[in-house]
Amino acid sequence: AAGVIQSPRHLIKEKRETATLKCYPIPRHDTVYWYQQGPGQDPQFLISFYEKMQSDKGSIPDRFSAQQFSDYHSELNMSSLELGDSALYFCASSRGEGPQHFGDGTRLSIL
Amino acid sequence: EDKVVQSPLSLVVHEGDTVTLNCSYEVTNFRSLLWYKQEKKAPTFLFMLTSSGIEKKSGRLSSILDKKELFSILNITATQTGDSAVYLCAVRGSGGGADGLTFGKGTHLIIQP
Repeated sequence: AAGVIQSPRHLIKEKRETATLKCYPIPRHDTVYWYQQGPGQDPQFLISFYEKMQSDKGSIPDRFSAQQFSDYHSELNMSSLELGDSALYFCASSRGEGPQHFGDGTRLSIL
Repeated sequence: EDKVVQSPLSLVVHEGDTVTLNCSYEVTNFRSLLWYKQEKKAPTFLFMLTSSGIEKKSGRLSSILDKKELFSILNITATQTGDSAVYLCAVRGSGGGADGLTFGKGTHLIIQP
């Protein structure tokens, strides 16, 4: 079965640079979610989109933004990167009230 | 603010043992509780529970929810070394930020051969 696809798998950036993470949800899933998981931490919800409109917002810094495109893929844009942004970034998708299924994540390292 | 507490935080057992993982929660307008298994990468979905008292079962794993006492348990019988992972409990409510799941810290389960 098709899963959530994220790219890139790994990304190394320096402080103050920008980064863009991509997510392709499971076909026919209408909602996309972004999470940040720091080392040894549980995933923290950042933002979600339902049918290409932002539907909810969690603890997303103002330096981050996201959008969902007409083909349902989503991008998380991160600017003025800080050392503390080093984390695993997960995208998940769901259909209606169904369970969220997670991609393999993008590991972002800030030098 | 939604809150999920899992116990124990870590557990080491021998292959063949049965384990019970606990999850208690506080959530505004409960919608669902989910269990995930996380190894090196993505959390893998195990169960979603919405109603009290109805056991969900998949092979050696089972889970049940008690909405009155606000907790859930995940049972694994006849454990195998491949069951070693972090097991995450998460809830979904309908307060602010409620589309997203609120996770517990997880139970780190180690199965020794």
